[in-house]
Amino acid sequence: DVKVTQSSRYLVKRTGEKVFLECVQDMDHENMFWYRQDPGLGLRLIYFSYDVKMKEKGDIPEGYSVSREKKERFSLILESASTNQTSMYLCASSLLTSGSPGELFFGEGSRLTVL
Amino acid sequence: TQLLEQSPQFLSIQEGENLTVYCNSSSVFSSLQWYRQEPGEGPVLLVTVVTGGEVKKLKRLTFQFGDARKDSSLHITAAQTGDTGLYLCAGAGRRQGGKLIFGQGTELSVKP
Repeated sequence: DVKVTQSSRYLVKRTGEKVFLECVQDMDHENMFWYRQDPGLGLRLIYFSYDVKMKEKGDIPEGYSVSREKKERFSLILESASTNQTSMYLCASSLLTSGSPGELFFGEGSRLTVL
Repeated sequence: TQLLEQSPQFLSIQEGENLTVYCNSSSVFSSLQWYRQEPGEGPVLLVTVVTGGEVKKLKRLTFQFGDARKDSSLHITAAQTGDTGLYLCAGAGRRQGGKLIFGQGTELSVKP
């Protein structure tokens, strides 16, 4: 069974703390994505990666960075957490396809609260 | 600017009723996907439509892609409590640089 695993389901952090969100996929997918999900706003793309050590900014990259040292792992980093980064974070992976995007496989999400 | 507008945002119906969810845009998409997300889980793909006018059926769910590839609809016949969840449409096209853009979602609650 294909799987995307996010390291933490729930986190509570203080303003200014550094936060790491880890994501691992076991499907040998080339593409990996980080989204944040907020009520009424749907999913918004933060960063994505098409290959190891490669990253591209999504629609809302400010305040975030990412790391992809291995194909199966994609990390999201909040250098200095702020209260407006309180949200549900979803990691996803997909096969590299030509033309239209393929199916996204999502993790269960990490709910981050910044106090 | 939200490129994909979903309506309604919230829908509460009784078991057995029919419903339609709409996904509209002024942009043309090369493909459109529908996902369902249950509480505490990540979204799961239901269907992908790629051809203008295409209709796909998945048991009681019928998906349609508009002729101009700017809009899509999801129709559920005889809703069941198991249909409860958040329904998300996501489009991809040249304007989006090949990336998926998600709508705001439709929160469906089906009561017994």
